[in-house]
Amino acid sequence: QSVLTQPPSVSGAPGQRVTISCTGSSSNIGAGYDVHWYQQLPGTAPKLLIYGNSNRPSGVPDRFSGSKSGTSASLAITGLQAEDEADYYCQSYDSSLSGSMVFGTGTKVTVL
Amino acid sequence: QVTLRESGPALVKPTQTLTLTCTFSGFSLSTSGMCVSWIRQPPGKALEWLARIDWDDDKYYSTSLKTRLTISKDTSKNQVVLTMTNMDPVDTATYYCARIDQSQAAAGDNWFDPWGQGTLVTVSS
Repeated sequence: QSVLTQPPSVSGAPGQRVTISCTGSSSNIGAGYDVHWYQQLPGTAPKLLIYGNSNRPSGVPDRFSGSKSGTSASLAITGLQAEDEADYYCQSYDSSLSGSMVFGTGTKVTVL
Repeated sequence: QVTLRESGPALVKPTQTLTLTCTFSGFSLSTSGMCVSWIRQPPGKALEWLARIDWDDDKYYSTSLKTRLTISKDTSKNQVVLTMTNMDPVDTATYYCARIDQSQAAAGDNWFDPWGQGTLVTVSS
């Protein structure tokens, strides 16, 4: 029952730029709560990619960037590489769900 | 280095109770701001947050699963236990535990890092 909506899939050729949207509502992203992004490589656990809307943990390439505006957030990958082929999830907090942390529906990035 | 590892049965029968243990190292759940959450992912589907327990023993549950979940901690053993009652085949999923460090952001703005490797639980008779 994801309350954050993402496109099921995006694709791009190596070197291109792709963006993934994460659309919420006034009780989560629109209420001002931060958005975080995770990368899940095939067969592995999710890994923190972006925190606090636009911050990269140590070790994450600067090809990955995040932004937030209104009730939505976006993850951009510039200079797409084959190793970026993975599932990506956004995450935030929803004040209407009694302290619930919520995830997006997930987006599969395919490198053509 | 912070690490977490999930353990529990790989197979449970419908109506049974599932008990999962998260054993962690590199931090203490008695330290202010530290929390551990459980998240699950059915095969081929999205992540779903389940529950969270804080250093001060505050507990939070998914509204849709609240009646079936119980989260607890054993600080001396560095473990967090999740029980889920009345298991059903739709509960088949990989179950992950992950740390939250509330000292890094305001309440409500927290993220999960790091995650355990996950444990696959299949519900079938």
